[in-house]
Amino acid sequence: GAGVSQSPSNKVTEKGKDVELRCDPISGHTALYWYRQSLGQGLEFLIYFQGNSAPDKSGLPSDRFSAERTGGSVSTLTIQRTQQEDSAVYLCASSLQDGGNQPQHFGDGTRLSIL
Amino acid sequence: DQQVKQNSPSLSVQEGRISILNCDYTNSMFDYFLWYKKYPAEGPTFLISISSIKDKNEDGRFTVFLNKSAKHLSLHIVPSQPGDSAVYFCAARDSGNTPLVFGKGTRLSVIA
Repeated sequence: GAGVSQSPSNKVTEKGKDVELRCDPISGHTALYWYRQSLGQGLEFLIYFQGNSAPDKSGLPSDRFSAERTGGSVSTLTIQRTQQEDSAVYLCASSLQDGGNQPQHFGDGTRLSIL
Repeated sequence: DQQVKQNSPSLSVQEGRISILNCDYTNSMFDYFLWYKKYPAEGPTFLISISSIKDKNEDGRFTVFLNKSAKHLSLHIVPSQPGDSAVYFCAARDSGNTPLVFGKGTRLSVIA
């Protein structure tokens, strides 16, 4: 498809386990973002990749969270030693980076449940 | 401290009438504003945006109004349709491709 693709769509795991969430952005989009949405809340920024620049990690809630973007395309968000408060929908978005105002386009998210 | 606020968690409107969703922001550096629509179990879908140099942008049934002096924007949907029932998020950013700051959303129900 032409949209942002995320996998898995759902993930249930035990507290203390590590999880990896994957995002395939829209082809040609050089900016990639991770957000999360906890129950009843708006979207909370986590991390942002822009081309070859160092990522903006200012939204990561703890050092248990990390993300990589390989080859300027696919990104993986890793959460180590998961806690129950990590339960949320994790959303990935991508956008063109052409200096103008470009909207971010979202995938359908990964619903993460920590038991 | 919420920089983008949607003070109405929910709104009900009759089919065919106008829906008006409101959003307030506090950061005067924001220069690009967006509205997203979200259905359950799906990601947010981009609806319409407006740059700070404009005060109105229209796309079909959707119009966004920006009042910079009041730090307020609104989304008008007319006529409202049952398929418009969803959660609507207001978002803003300050420059370039920086991350968006989102409100908590307003759940719109359009009643047939």
